[in-house]
Amino acid sequence: AQKITQTQPGMFVQEKEAVTLDCTYDTSDQSYGLFWYKQPSSGEMIFLIYQGSYDEQNATEGRYSLNFQKARKSANLVISASQLGDSAMYFCAMSMNTGFQKLVFGTGTRLLVSP
Amino acid sequence: DADVTQTPRNRITKTGKRIMLECSQTKGHDRMYWYRQDPGLGLRLIYYSFDVKDINKGEISDGYSVSRQAQAKFSLSLESAIPNQTALYFCATSDHGTSGDGYTFGSGTRLTVV
Repeated sequence: AQKITQTQPGMFVQEKEAVTLDCTYDTSDQSYGLFWYKQPSSGEMIFLIYQGSYDEQNATEGRYSLNFQKARKSANLVISASQLGDSAMYFCAMSMNTGFQKLVFGTGTRLLVSP
Repeated sequence: DADVTQTPRNRITKTGKRIMLECSQTKGHDRMYWYRQDPGLGLRLIYYSFDVKDINKGEISDGYSVSRQAQAKFSLSLESAIPNQTALYFCATSDHGTSGDGYTFGSGTRLTVV
């Protein structure tokens, strides 16, 4: 069975600094997808970044990058130049294959960005 | 208009009542999902459907049922609501592609069972 582990319940970072949110996963599948979502206090799920298991390069989307280490089964999210608006809950998730099926989520990390 | 619309946005209901949460989408996606979010537990899959004739149980389907009335509509029912079903419920859709934003979530329904 697939499993996502986020070991940091909460993280603090100062504005303009970089922060890494940890995510490890467990699967026996060769084909899978890894996602990061942001959930602000309003509750909606906002897609941030995606990495397919066969993608050799780390995904990047603006200030977000995914540090994909396949052998270690980790998919950490790096946010560069944090902004106050980055304060939110962040979820790592995995799909069973890269063609999108049901997602398995981690328990989330709450990020607080201070001025 | 939102691509995935959930109604109602908020609902308070009494223990034992039957309640339906509705989801409609304009994405044209075949696959639809219902997730539940509880504090500290992330999102967990309740039911999913890959097309109108295909309904599958997820991780936590007990106490819930679903109906896929059309490609665009997927409803979640609580047959007899109980307080521990108080949660934030999300409907989602997905396509068959490989772009990361292939998953689309609704805005969520906050359900309180008293």
